[in-house]
Amino acid sequence: GAGVSQSPSNKVTEKGKDVELRCDPISGHTALYWYRQSLGQGLEFLIYFQGNSAPDKSGLPSDRFSAERTGGSVSTLTIQRTQQEDSAVYLCASSAEPLGTDTQYFGPGTRLTVL
Amino acid sequence: AQTVTQSQPEMSVQEAETVTLSCTYDTSESNYYLFWYKQPPSRQMILVIRQEAYKQQNATENRFSVNFQKAAKSFSLKISDSQLGDTAMYFCAFMKLRSYNTDKLIFGTGTRLQVFP
Repeated sequence: GAGVSQSPSNKVTEKGKDVELRCDPISGHTALYWYRQSLGQGLEFLIYFQGNSAPDKSGLPSDRFSAERTGGSVSTLTIQRTQQEDSAVYLCASSAEPLGTDTQYFGPGTRLTVL
Repeated sequence: AQTVTQSQPEMSVQEAETVTLSCTYDTSESNYYLFWYKQPPSRQMILVIRQEAYKQQNATENRFSVNFQKAAKSFSLKISDSQLGDTAMYFCAFMKLRSYNTDKLIFGTGTRLQVFP
Protein backbone atom coordinates (compact mmCIF):
# COMPACT_ATOMS: atom_id res chain seq x y z
CA GLY A 1 0.00 0.00 0.00
CA ALA A 2 0.92 3.67 -0.06
CA GLY A 3 3.53 4.88 2.39
CA VAL A 4 3.76 8.14 4.31
CA SER A 5 3.71 11.11 1.96
CA GLN A 6 4.85 14.65 2.62
CA SER A 7 4.49 17.88 0.71
CA PRO A 8 6.11 19.94 -0.52
CA SER A 9 9.31 18.05 -1.14
CA ASN A 10 11.29 21.27 -0.97
CA LYS A 11 10.35 24.71 0.29
CA VAL A 12 12.36 27.89 0.03
CA THR A 13 11.09 30.87 1.97
CA GLU A 14 12.23 34.24 3.17
CA LYS A 15 13.01 34.97 6.78
CA GLY A 16 9.91 36.12 8.61
CA LYS A 17 7.41 34.31 6.40
CA ASP A 18 5.09 31.54 7.64
CA VAL A 19 5.24 28.04 6.16
CA GLU A 20 3.01 24.98 6.28
CA LEU A 21 4.28 21.44 5.83
CA ARG A 22 1.90 18.58 5.20
CA CYS A 23 2.01 14.91 6.14
CA ASP A 24 -0.30 12.12 4.98
CA PRO A 25 0.24 9.05 7.18
CA ILE A 26 -0.27 5.46 6.17
CA SER A 27 -3.99 4.70 6.09
CA GLY A 28 -5.17 3.30 9.41
CA HIS A 29 -2.13 4.44 11.38
CA THR A 30 -3.28 6.22 14.50
CA ALA A 31 0.07 7.58 15.68
CA LEU A 32 1.87 10.39 13.85
CA TYR A 33 5.24 11.96 14.64
CA TRP A 34 7.15 14.98 13.39
CA TYR A 35 10.96 15.07 13.56
CA ARG A 36 13.50 17.62 12.41
CA GLN A 37 16.84 16.73 10.89
CA SER A 38 19.43 19.49 10.83
CA LEU A 39 23.20 19.61 10.52
CA GLY A 40 23.73 21.09 13.93
CA GLN A 41 21.14 19.18 15.96
CA GLY A 42 20.86 15.83 14.21
CA LEU A 43 17.47 14.11 14.32
CA GLU A 44 15.16 15.50 16.98
CA PHE A 45 11.58 14.83 17.97
CA LEU A 46 9.09 17.67 17.60
CA ILE A 47 5.53 16.50 18.28
CA TYR A 48 3.47 13.31 18.57
CA PHE A 49 -0.23 12.71 17.90
CA GLN A 50 -1.99 9.58 19.13
CA GLY A 51 -5.65 9.15 18.25
CA ASN A 52 -7.86 11.59 20.13
CA SER A 53 -5.39 12.14 22.96
CA ALA A 54 -3.78 15.51 23.58
CA PRO A 55 -0.60 15.72 21.48
CA ASP A 56 2.85 15.48 23.06
CA LYS A 57 4.36 18.86 22.15
CA SER A 58 7.43 18.50 24.33
CA GLY A 59 9.87 18.67 21.42
CA LEU A 60 8.67 21.88 19.79
CA PRO A 61 11.61 24.34 19.95
CA SER A 62 9.57 27.52 20.29
CA ASP A 63 6.05 28.91 20.19
CA ARG A 64 6.56 29.70 16.53
CA PHE A 65 6.05 26.01 15.86
CA SER A 66 2.62 24.39 15.95
CA ALA A 67 0.96 21.35 14.45
CA GLU A 68 -2.48 19.97 14.06
CA ARG A 69 -3.98 16.74 12.89
CA THR A 70 -7.41 16.89 11.35
CA GLY A 71 -9.77 13.95 11.43
CA GLY A 72 -7.09 11.68 12.84
CA SER A 73 -5.31 11.57 9.50
CA VAL A 74 -3.51 14.42 7.73
CA SER A 75 -1.21 16.61 9.80
CA THR A 76 0.11 20.09 9.15
CA LEU A 77 3.22 21.52 10.80
CA THR A 78 3.22 25.31 10.79
CA ILE A 79 6.26 27.49 11.40
CA GLN A 80 5.53 31.16 11.91
CA ARG A 81 7.99 33.99 11.31
CA THR A 82 10.63 31.60 10.00
CA GLN A 83 14.25 32.07 11.02
CA GLN A 84 17.39 30.84 9.28
CA GLU A 85 17.96 28.30 12.04
CA ASP A 86 14.66 26.66 11.04
CA SER A 87 16.34 25.42 7.85
CA ALA A 88 16.26 21.64 8.07
CA VAL A 89 14.58 18.51 6.73
CA TYR A 90 11.24 17.92 8.44
CA LEU A 91 10.33 14.24 8.63
CA CYS A 92 6.96 12.76 9.39
CA ALA A 93 6.40 9.20 10.59
CA SER A 94 3.36 7.10 11.41
CA SER A 95 2.77 3.86 13.23
CA ALA A 96 -0.10 1.50 13.90
CA GLU A 97 -1.34 1.56 17.49
CA PRO A 98 -2.53 0.62 20.03
CA LEU A 99 -0.38 -2.44 19.58
CA GLY A 100 2.38 -0.64 21.39
CA THR A 101 5.04 -2.52 19.53
CA ASP A 102 4.88 -1.24 16.01
CA THR A 103 7.52 0.45 13.96
CA GLN A 104 7.48 4.05 12.81
CA TYR A 105 7.43 4.42 9.03
CA PHE A 106 8.87 7.62 7.65
CA GLY A 107 7.94 9.88 4.78
CA PRO A 108 10.52 11.34 2.37
CA GLY A 109 10.66 14.62 4.27
CA THR A 110 10.36 18.28 3.37
CA ARG A 111 13.58 20.24 2.98
CA LEU A 112 12.98 23.77 4.27
CA THR A 113 15.43 26.51 3.36
CA VAL A 114 15.01 29.91 5.00
CA LEU A 115 16.89 32.68 3.19
CA ALA B 1 16.72 10.80 29.86
CA GLN B 2 17.81 8.43 27.17
CA THR B 3 20.87 8.98 24.98
CA VAL B 4 22.17 7.13 21.94
CA THR B 5 25.80 7.31 20.88
CA GLN B 6 27.29 6.34 17.55
CA SER B 7 31.03 6.81 17.78
CA GLN B 8 31.87 6.17 14.12
CA PRO B 9 30.97 9.18 11.96
CA GLU B 10 32.15 7.42 8.80
CA MET B 11 32.90 3.86 7.74
CA SER B 12 33.86 2.28 4.46
CA VAL B 13 33.83 -1.30 3.24
CA GLN B 14 34.54 -3.12 0.04
CA GLU B 15 31.72 -4.82 -1.79
CA ALA B 16 31.01 -8.38 -0.52
CA GLU B 17 32.89 -7.75 2.74
CA THR B 18 31.41 -7.49 6.24
CA VAL B 19 31.18 -4.32 8.28
CA THR B 20 30.00 -3.62 11.83
CA LEU B 21 28.51 -0.32 12.97
CA SER B 22 28.59 0.49 16.68
CA CYS B 23 25.90 1.94 18.89
CA THR B 24 25.68 2.40 22.64
CA TYR B 25 22.81 3.81 24.63
CA ASP B 26 22.01 4.92 28.11
CA THR B 27 18.67 4.38 29.82
CA SER B 28 17.14 3.44 33.12
CA GLU B 29 14.16 1.85 31.39
CA SER B 30 13.79 -1.92 31.41
CA ASN B 31 11.39 -2.22 28.49
CA TYR B 32 12.37 -0.66 25.22
CA TYR B 33 13.05 -1.20 21.54
CA LEU B 34 16.17 -0.54 19.55
CA PHE B 35 16.25 0.14 15.83
CA TRP B 36 18.63 0.63 12.98
CA TYR B 37 17.38 2.92 10.23
CA LYS B 38 19.05 3.54 6.89
CA GLN B 39 18.87 6.89 5.09
CA PRO B 40 20.16 6.87 1.51
CA PRO B 41 20.69 10.11 -0.43
CA SER B 42 17.00 10.03 -1.34
CA ARG B 43 16.37 11.10 2.28
CA GLN B 44 13.84 8.30 2.93
CA MET B 45 14.38 6.71 6.33
CA ILE B 46 14.09 2.95 5.94
CA LEU B 47 13.86 0.48 8.80
CA VAL B 48 16.71 -2.04 8.65
CA ILE B 49 16.17 -4.07 11.79
CA ARG B 50 14.66 -3.83 15.26
CA GLN B 51 15.27 -5.53 18.58
CA GLU B 52 12.97 -5.89 21.55
CA ALA B 53 14.97 -5.51 24.75
CA TYR B 54 13.17 -8.40 26.47
CA LYS B 55 14.34 -10.82 23.76
CA GLN B 56 17.72 -12.37 24.35
CA GLN B 57 18.03 -13.64 20.79
CA ASN B 58 19.70 -11.24 18.40
CA ALA B 59 17.51 -10.05 15.54
CA THR B 60 18.46 -10.90 11.95
CA GLU B 61 17.10 -9.73 8.62
CA ASN B 62 18.78 -11.39 5.66
CA ARG B 63 22.28 -9.85 5.45
CA PHE B 64 21.71 -7.66 8.50
CA SER B 65 22.12 -8.82 12.07
CA VAL B 66 22.62 -7.19 15.44
CA ASN B 67 24.72 -7.94 18.47
CA PHE B 68 22.56 -6.83 21.38
CA GLN B 69 24.34 -6.72 24.73
CA LYS B 70 21.74 -5.48 27.21
CA ALA B 71 23.99 -5.31 30.25
CA ALA B 72 26.60 -3.36 28.32
CA LYS B 73 23.88 -1.25 26.61
CA SER B 74 25.40 -1.98 23.25
CA PHE B 75 23.57 -2.56 19.96
CA SER B 76 25.85 -3.04 16.95
CA LEU B 77 24.76 -3.72 13.37
CA LYS B 78 26.60 -6.22 11.18
CA ILE B 79 26.16 -6.05 7.44
CA SER B 80 27.35 -9.16 5.63
CA ASP B 81 28.12 -9.40 1.92
CA SER B 82 27.98 -5.61 1.59
CA GLN B 83 26.39 -4.26 -1.56
CA LEU B 84 26.71 -0.92 -3.32
CA GLY B 85 23.10 -0.22 -2.43
CA ASP B 86 24.00 -0.33 1.26
CA THR B 87 25.74 3.02 0.87
CA ALA B 88 23.78 5.32 3.18
CA MET B 89 23.63 7.03 6.53
CA TYR B 90 22.77 4.59 9.30
CA PHE B 91 21.01 5.72 12.46
CA CYS B 92 20.66 3.80 15.68
CA ALA B 93 17.49 4.67 17.60
CA PHE B 94 15.93 3.96 21.00
CA MET B 95 12.25 3.84 21.84
CA LYS B 96 10.81 3.52 25.32
CA LEU B 97 8.00 0.99 25.48
CA ARG B 98 4.78 2.27 26.96
CA SER B 99 1.61 0.32 27.54
CA TYR B 100 -0.46 0.22 24.34
CA ASN B 101 1.42 3.06 22.69
CA THR B 102 4.67 3.69 20.95
CA ASP B 103 6.88 6.60 21.93
CA LYS B 104 9.23 9.02 20.24
CA LEU B 105 12.48 7.76 18.79
CA ILE B 106 15.78 8.97 20.24
CA PHE B 107 18.39 8.91 17.50
CA GLY B 108 22.16 8.72 17.46
CA THR B 109 24.17 11.07 15.29
CA GLY B 110 24.53 8.52 12.52
CA THR B 111 27.30 6.65 10.71
CA ARG B 112 27.92 7.34 7.05
CA LEU B 113 28.71 4.04 5.31
CA GLN B 114 30.36 3.96 1.91
CA VAL B 115 30.53 0.67 0.02
CA PHE B 116 33.28 0.57 -2.61
CA PRO B 117 33.30 -1.72 -5.66
